[in-house]
Amino acid sequence: EDQVTQSPEALRLQEGESSSLNCSYTVSGLRGLFWYRQDPGKGPEFLFTLYSAGEEKEKERLKATLTKKESFLHITAPKPEDSATYLCAVQAAGTGNQFYFGTGTSLTVIP
Amino acid sequence: DAGVTQSPTHLIKTRGQHVTLRCSPISGHKSVSWYQQVLGQGPQFIFQYYEKEERGRGNFPDRFSARQFPNYSSELNVNALLLGDSALYLCASSRDGGNTEAFFGQGTRLTVV
Repeated sequence: EDQVTQSPEALRLQEGESSSLNCSYTVSGLRGLFWYRQDPGKGPEFLFTLYSAGEEKEKERLKATLTKKESFLHITAPKPEDSATYLCAVQAAGTGNQFYFGTGTSLTVIP
Repeated sequence: DAGVTQSPTHLIKTRGQHVTLRCSPISGHKSVSWYQQVLGQGPQFIFQYYEKEERGRGNFPDRFSARQFPNYSSELNVNALLLGDSALYLCASSRDGGNTEAFFGQGTRLTVV
């Protein structure tokens, strides 16, 4: 069964303290891995798409990387406004175009 | 440019009632997907439509149905509401429904009492 697991469930960082969020997946034939940011009560906001192992994408303080089994979202020198839940989703071959989401990592950045 | 719009934003219904949620995708996008998100969980796939045809269905009961209109907007219908249907219902819009990024609306918060 296809699975997406995110860790840690929650993370508290001091402002400026860099860290990484993990998304591990077990799918047959990865078609794409997607990172989203979600603020409370809002819809997920698209961040990155990664398609193949070794691929990297960057946006401001965020950098996403992909291997054959997992993806990391690196946050460099975070600010309080980076506080949110970060969701990882995958699309797998043979399952149509649906996204399988993990349960997310809740990030809190303390000033 | 307008993003994905959903209506209503909040809704309170009684058990056994019926509800219709609406979604307008980003201009030029032909695919709409629906997801259910229970508090503390990731979104769960309900349906995908592309060019007015159903392209995928998640593990939800037949009480859930959807359709897509010629202008690519979409409706999600839920019959015989249960307390467990209380959730944030998300609509996602994508250009062609393939392995490209999907953009989400702000969601409809449904509370069943």
